[in-house]
Amino acid sequence: AQKVTQAQTEISVVEKEDVTLDCVYETRDTTYYLFWYKQPPSGELVFLIRRNSFDEQNEISGRYSWNFQKSTSSFNFTITASQVVDSAVYFCALSEAIYNNAGNMLTFGGGTRLMVKP
Amino acid sequence: DSGVTQTPKHLITATGQRVTLRCSPRSGDLSVYWYQQSLDQGLQFLIQYYNGEERAKGNILERFSAQQFPDLHSELNLSSLELGDSALYFCASSPGIGHSTDTQYFGPGTRLTVL
Repeated sequence: AQKVTQAQTEISVVEKEDVTLDCVYETRDTTYYLFWYKQPPSGELVFLIRRNSFDEQNEISGRYSWNFQKSTSSFNFTITASQVVDSAVYFCALSEAIYNNAGNMLTFGGGTRLMVKP
Repeated sequence: DSGVTQTPKHLITATGQRVTLRCSPRSGDLSVYWYQQSLDQGLQFLIQYYNGEERAKGNILERFSAQQFPDLHSELNLSSLELGDSALYFCASSPGIGHSTDTQYFGPGTRLTVL
């Protein structure tokens, strides 16, 4: 069975600080996919990034960066120079590879609420 | 805007009632997923349909059912509602089942309140 743990339930930072959101996952599959979604106060779930288990390259997109480490089963997310608009709940999610036309459900972590204060 | 639409946005009803939530996937997407987000259970997968057929089932109660129609829109039916069914229900869509896992794009959700 797959499992995603986001140990930080809530983080509070002051604007312009860097912040890292942790994600640890468990899976027995060798092929799997990891995702981050953002849920702003308005409630929708916004896709941020997808990573497959064979691609351990870190990724940077503007102020966002992701560090995937298979050895520690972690997929951490860093926001550099945080802004008030980054305040949201961030979810890490895992999906195992599809076999025999089975579905590809997402298993979500519990989420980390990030509050960025001005 | 993800391109996934859900109606209604809010729904308030009483215990024992039945409601239907509707979802239209992004243009061209064949897979539709339903998730429930509640305070105690977090975000949980309910069910997936691909091109009209059920593909995967999660922790969906027997009182809940879903279907995907030929035009690919999907409906989630919740019956004999209980207070604990109050939650945010998300629909997501993706292009379809292939050899890799698609990215799921989520709709804005339907907030269900059972009184």
